[in-house]
Amino acid sequence: GAGVSQTPSNKVTEKGKYVELRCDPISGHTALYWYRQSLGQGPEFLIYFQGTGAADDSGLPNDRFFAVRPEGSVSTLKIQRTERGDSAVYLCASSSGRGLAGRTTDTQYFGPGTRLTVL
Amino acid sequence: QQQVKQSPQSLIVQKGGISIINCAYENTAFDYFPWYQQFPGKGPALLIAIRPDVSEKKEGRFTISFNKSAKQFSLHIMDSQPGDSATYFCAASADAGGTSYGKLTFGQGTILTVHP
Repeated sequence: GAGVSQTPSNKVTEKGKYVELRCDPISGHTALYWYRQSLGQGPEFLIYFQGTGAADDSGLPNDRFFAVRPEGSVSTLKIQRTERGDSAVYLCASSSGRGLAGRTTDTQYFGPGTRLTVL
Repeated sequence: QQQVKQSPQSLIVQKGGISIINCAYENTAFDYFPWYQQFPGKGPALLIAIRPDVSEKKEGRFTISFNKSAKQFSLHIMDSQPGDSATYFCAASADAGGTSYGKLTFGQGTILTVHP
């Protein structure tokens, strides 16, 4: 089947505007992750969903960032009052969420990312 | 806090050579160590992964060596090919009983260039 898809692939916005970034995980994957990758850096964890609930949002940098996954499939990352420092590639990953009990064995499959540029 | 340190930042090897990328971690709770390969404009893709109960894992031309006491692990690419030219990231995660299931901490990345 299809891999993880993300839309838009590129988003240019002005400082102070609101943006939404969408992630379509692999069908049947219950675990979904958002990461942010700045130029020349490795991805940094933002938030993790198991099903519809955000199990870990410790990576969200501040309250301007929010993510939802209302039906346990598609997820939307929302950024309010964007700042130039928010410019980065936002990556989404999904996994089956059915690893061995007590072991993190699930492979995370990444989408191509959304490149956000805040002018 | 930089929990996973990766070196070198960039690496140039000739076709057929061996590419070696190193990572060191601080968090002793980490128990899963994957390597990801990323091409320009694409998301990272899992290459190979290891758990600390083994010291080495080999898949084709790719080998992970793991040293638990030193808290270090490395990726070896044998017979490097121009098609291997990409950015490589090491990562680590800790089994937190489900609350941070699979949360990956990445290294800074290594840009590998394999000359023909």
